[in-house]
Amino acid sequence: AQKITQTQPGMFVQEKEAVTLDCTYDTSDPSYGLFWYKQPSSGEMIFLIYQGSYDQQNATEGRYSLNFQKARKSANLVISASQLGDSAMYFCAMREGWYTGGFKTIFGAGTRLFVKA
Amino acid sequence: NAGVTQTPKFQVLKTGQSMTLQCAQDMNHEYMSWYRQDPGMGLRLIHYSVGAGITDQGEVPNGYNVSRSTTEDFPLRLLSAAPSQTSVYFCASRPQGASDTQYFGPGTRLTVL
Repeated sequence: AQKITQTQPGMFVQEKEAVTLDCTYDTSDPSYGLFWYKQPSSGEMIFLIYQGSYDQQNATEGRYSLNFQKARKSANLVISASQLGDSAMYFCAMREGWYTGGFKTIFGAGTRLFVKA
Repeated sequence: NAGVTQTPKFQVLKTGQSMTLQCAQDMNHEYMSWYRQDPGMGLRLIHYSVGAGITDQGEVPNGYNVSRSTTEDFPLRLLSAAPSQTSVYFCASRPQGASDTQYFGPGTRLTVL
């Protein structure tokens, strides 16, 4: 069965520094996608970045990058040059059948990031 | 283009009452889904639909019904509300093609007393 684990309930980072949020996953499907979402205090879910299991290079979107280590089954989110507005809850998610139209997405419990001025 | 909209934003119910949470999208997405978010548990899939007239159960379907009569709308019905259904509910949609992420609505915060 598919599973997502985020072991860091809360993280602190100094403004302008980089931070890594951990995510490990478990699946027996070779075709899957991994996502990160941000949820600020206002409550909406904001898509940040995704990585397909067959993608050769790590995904990047602006200050966000996904450190995909397939053998370790990890998909850590790296935020460079943290900003105060990055303070939020971050969720890692996975969908099996990524390349074949699979539907069900599962989410980790989340990591709350606090950026200090 | 409003994206995914949800109504109401907030709702308080008494145990045993029924209600419908509304979800609509204007992006012509085939896939729609409902999640609930509880503290410390991330989002869990309640029901989903892969097109008009087609729905299926997710991880936590008990106590909820859905229907999909149009591509745009995907309402979630609570038949007899229970305090355990106090949660934040998110609706999401995405196109049918592979390798597409979901678009989320703003959420409905439901409290059952």
